[in-house]
Amino acid sequence: AQSVTQPDIHITVSEGASLELRCNYSYGATPYLFWYVQSPGQGLQLLLKYFSGDTLVQGIKGFEAEFKRSQSSFNLRKPSVHWSDAAEYFCAVGANFGNEKLTFGTGTRLTIIP
Amino acid sequence: DTGVSQNPRHKITKRGQNVTFRCDPISEHNRLYWYRQTLGQGPEFLTYFQNEAQLEKSRLLSDRFSAERPKGSFSTLEIQRTEQGDSAMYLCASRTLDTSYNEQFFGPGTRLTVL
Repeated sequence: AQSVTQPDIHITVSEGASLELRCNYSYGATPYLFWYVQSPGQGLQLLLKYFSGDTLVQGIKGFEAEFKRSQSSFNLRKPSVHWSDAAEYFCAVGANFGNEKLTFGTGTRLTIIP
Repeated sequence: DTGVSQNPRHKITKRGQNVTFRCDPISEHNRLYWYRQTLGQGPEFLTYFQNEAQLEKSRLLSDRFSAERPKGSFSTLEIQRTEQGDSAMYLCASRTLDTSYNEQFFGPGTRLTVL
């Protein structure tokens, strides 16, 4: 069964500082990996995705993530955060066959301080 | 706006009442998914449709839950005899099968509060 672990429940960073959110997954084959962002009371917006190829993927809003198969990780990074980045971030894994349901981690809440 | 839409955005009901939510996917998207998100958790898969066929239901979907997609376009999720444990955000997502990429587009969700 597929699973996702986001070990950090809550992270606080200063505006302008760099950010890394951790994600570890468990999946029996090559996974499809995603990062979504959710603002309070809102749905999910896709930040970036990994399917194959280059292990460093670029997304929207200046985010990037690196797929490391040996560590079963897909960490999200941003070199300089903005106050508008405050939100909940979810890592998800999905199959490329069958029902393709997404399995999400429990999320990391990001707080930005001035 | 051609994104996924959901109605209502908020629903407050009393325990024991029935509720129905609607999801309109992106036009031409073959697959439609329902997820449930409780406070402090990530979304959890409930069920999905390919066109009008409901192909899988999670164990989370008790007998009080029923979902339909009668014409392969919009979908409804009904909860009968609501319980306080049903309070959650119900998210709908859709995707096209025209690509091999499993990229699901999410709607804004319906937040259900059962009193």
